[in-house]
Amino acid sequence: GAVVSQHPSRVICKSGTSVKIECRSLDFQATTMFWYRQFPKQSLMLMATSNEGSKATYEQGVEKDKFLINHASLTLSTLTVTSAHPEDSSFYICSAQRSGTGPYGDTQYFGPGTRLTVL
Amino acid sequence: GDSVTQMEGPVTLSEEAFLTINCTYTATGYPSLFWYVQYPGEGLQLLLKATKADDKGSNKGFEATYRKETTSFHLEKGSVQVSDSAVYFCALSGAGKTSYDKVIFGPGTSLSVIP
Repeated sequence: GAVVSQHPSRVICKSGTSVKIECRSLDFQATTMFWYRQFPKQSLMLMATSNEGSKATYEQGVEKDKFLINHASLTLSTLTVTSAHPEDSSFYICSAQRSGTGPYGDTQYFGPGTRLTVL
Repeated sequence: GDSVTQMEGPVTLSEEAFLTINCTYTATGYPSLFWYVQYPGEGLQLLLKATKADDKGSNKGFEATYRKETTSFHLEKGSVQVSDSAVYFCALSGAGKTSYDKVIFGPGTSLSVIP
C-alpha cells in the first residue's frame, strides 16, 4: 500500500506556457501533500505544503503566483507552473502524508517525480 | 532550527562490502527518523523508519538505530549489492508534533557498488 503517482513523468514545453503536474495518492487518503523541487545531485527543496480544501502554505522564496497549488480532494493535488521559463526546469516531486495516527501517521510517501524541461 | 547532516559522498564500495552511512540530526522536539532511497531518475522510496529512541528500523538488509544520546541514525548493511547503488537521504519529521510536519532532508549520500 501507500502508492503515490505523478503525471506526467516528463514534460517539455516552450517558454511562456503553463504546465500542470498531478499528484495522486492511489490507495490512501492524504489530508496533506507536499511539493518539492530537486536540482541535479542535490537534496529536495520543499516548495509548499498543500492541505485539502484550503490554501497552500509556501516556503520562503517560492513565488505562489508562479507555482499554483490546488488540493481539490483527499487523493489529488496539482502543481501548475505558470509562464514557465528555462530556469524552472527541474525535477518536481510530490509526497502525500497518510491521514490519521498510528505507525504510518507521520510518514510521507513520495511520487516518482516529474521532469520538467522548458525550452 | 531542525536539521540533518549526512556524511559526504560519493561512496564507492565493492560488492559484498559492509556499508555505513552516518547521519546526525538537530531537533528541538522528538522527531521520527527516516532513510529514503532514490534510484537514478526516480522519486524517493521509504527505506526504513524509527519513531522513538532505541527503535531499530530495518528493511531489505538495511538497518538503522535511533540513538537519542548521540542524536544519530546511521544506516548500515552487512553486504551491499550492485543493485543498492542509489542516493540515500536521511530525514526527520514530527519534531514539533503538529498535525502535519515538514520532512527535513539531509543532503543525500550517493552510493556506487562495483562488481
